[in-house]
Amino acid sequence: IAGITQAPTSQILAAGRRMTLRCTQDMRHNAMYWYRQDLGLGLRLIHYSNTAGTTGKGEVPDGYSVSRANTDDFPLTLASAVPSQTSVYFCASSDSGTSGDEQFFGPGTRLTVL
Amino acid sequence: GQNIDQPTEMTATEGAIVQINCTYQTSGFNGLFWYQQHAGEAPTFLSYNVLDGLEEKGRFSSFLSRSKGYSYLLLKELQMKDSASYLCAVMDSNYQLIWGAGTKLIIKP
Repeated sequence: IAGITQAPTSQILAAGRRMTLRCTQDMRHNAMYWYRQDLGLGLRLIHYSNTAGTTGKGEVPDGYSVSRANTDDFPLTLASAVPSQTSVYFCASSDSGTSGDEQFFGPGTRLTVL
Repeated sequence: GQNIDQPTEMTATEGAIVQINCTYQTSGFNGLFWYQQHAGEAPTFLSYNVLDGLEEKGRFSSFLSRSKGYSYLLLKELQMKDSASYLCAVMDSNYQLIWGAGTKLIIKP
C-alpha cells in the first residue's frame, strides 16, 4: 500500500543520547517535511526538503538535523536529546511542495526524553 | 507575526450541523487547508480553498474569505465517527503550512 512509514512507533530516550527518526515514502513525492505536535499547539515545521539533495529550516530547527540523499528517505536526527524534545513527530510528503498540494502524513513517532 | 485562530473545543449532537471557524494572519497566502485528526492518529486531508467561496465535498464544506482572513468548515449530518480534531492550516508566501492548534469536536448521541 502506497504511503509513508515512520520508525520507531515510539521511543523513550535518555537525555544526551543521539536518536534518528526514520521516514520513507513510496509515492515518489518531491517534497518532504518533519513536524512536531505538542498539546495545545499547532503542528510546527522542523525541517523540510523540496527535492532530493536539498533541505531547509522550518520554524523550530534547533537541535535537529535532516538529510535527503534520495527521493524516498528523509531521516530526522536529534544530536543530543533534551526533555523539551519530548513530542509526537510526524513526517509528511507532497507532490511538489507548491500551492494546492495536500500533504500526506506518516503515522507518527511518539518520543519521550527523560 | 503569523497566527491561526480556531476554537479549542466544540460539542455537537449526532445528526446535527456544526461550523468550525478559523481566522488567520499570515505573511502571504497560497491557500487554506482543513485536515481531520483522530486521537492518536495522523492528520488526513479534508479540503483546500484558494479562491473565495464555498467548496462542497459530500457532508463536508469549506468556505474562504480572503479579504476577511476567515474560513469555516461545515460538517452536516454529524456521525459519531466525526469526533476528532479539525486542523486549519494556511500556506504562506514560502509555501510552508502554518497550522492552528486544532478544534476538538465532540459528538454526543
